[in-house]
Amino acid sequence: NAGVMQNPRHLVRRRGQEARLRCSPMKGHSHVYWYRQLPEEGLKFMVYLQKENIIDESGMPKERFSAEFPKEGPSILRIQQVVRGDSAAYFCASSQGQGQETQYFGPGTRLLVL
Amino acid sequence: GNSVTQMEGPVTLSEEAFLTINCTYTATGYPSLFWYVQYPGEGLQLLLKATKADDKGSNKGFEATYRKETTSFHLEKGSVQVSDSAVYFCALSDRDTGFQKLVFGTGTRLLVSP
Repeated sequence: NAGVMQNPRHLVRRRGQEARLRCSPMKGHSHVYWYRQLPEEGLKFMVYLQKENIIDESGMPKERFSAEFPKEGPSILRIQQVVRGDSAAYFCASSQGQGQETQYFGPGTRLLVL
Repeated sequence: GNSVTQMEGPVTLSEEAFLTINCTYTATGYPSLFWYVQYPGEGLQLLLKATKADDKGSNKGFEATYRKETTSFHLEKGSVQVSDSAVYFCALSDRDTGFQKLVFGTGTRLLVSP
């Protein structure tokens, strides 16, 4: 049973470019969460999605960041016009349902903005 | 709001030493508590969890007890190995947020020498 898949594992972008991060949840999981880890810090919640719906985006920056989880295909975290402060590790997690369901994490995408 | 406080690292131990990593929390509801481990360059793996007061989570020789009276969830292991070297994150999820967001501590780095 494959775990949570994320790609790319490493992404380098220049300031002003767009970054697209992909996350495929575990088989049977319909809930996806995105977290950001800045260097030497803990993970911070960004957004929680179910298929075709954003449930909670209270941790998302108001500008340049967006997320989707279409009916078919992976969840996408999109960062437009990246800045150096966006450099971080972005982790996706999935769970089978809501409530006290355990979240399982992917290996992360490490974004470096030059 | 909800928060998690962990002891600062790094924690440096010799192999076979006893490990304690302190974690305390603040939550408005009745949280579930988790310990995640992050090995270098990898994503987070769930180590153990407890969902109600006095529960003890355990896995791979690690254990932690949910102490409501002291709002703590300290991680312990009787005899550490070099392979336990990693960053350990304490986290909570809370009924008030539908258990949908994990709130993480800043992490504690453990270094075990032979």
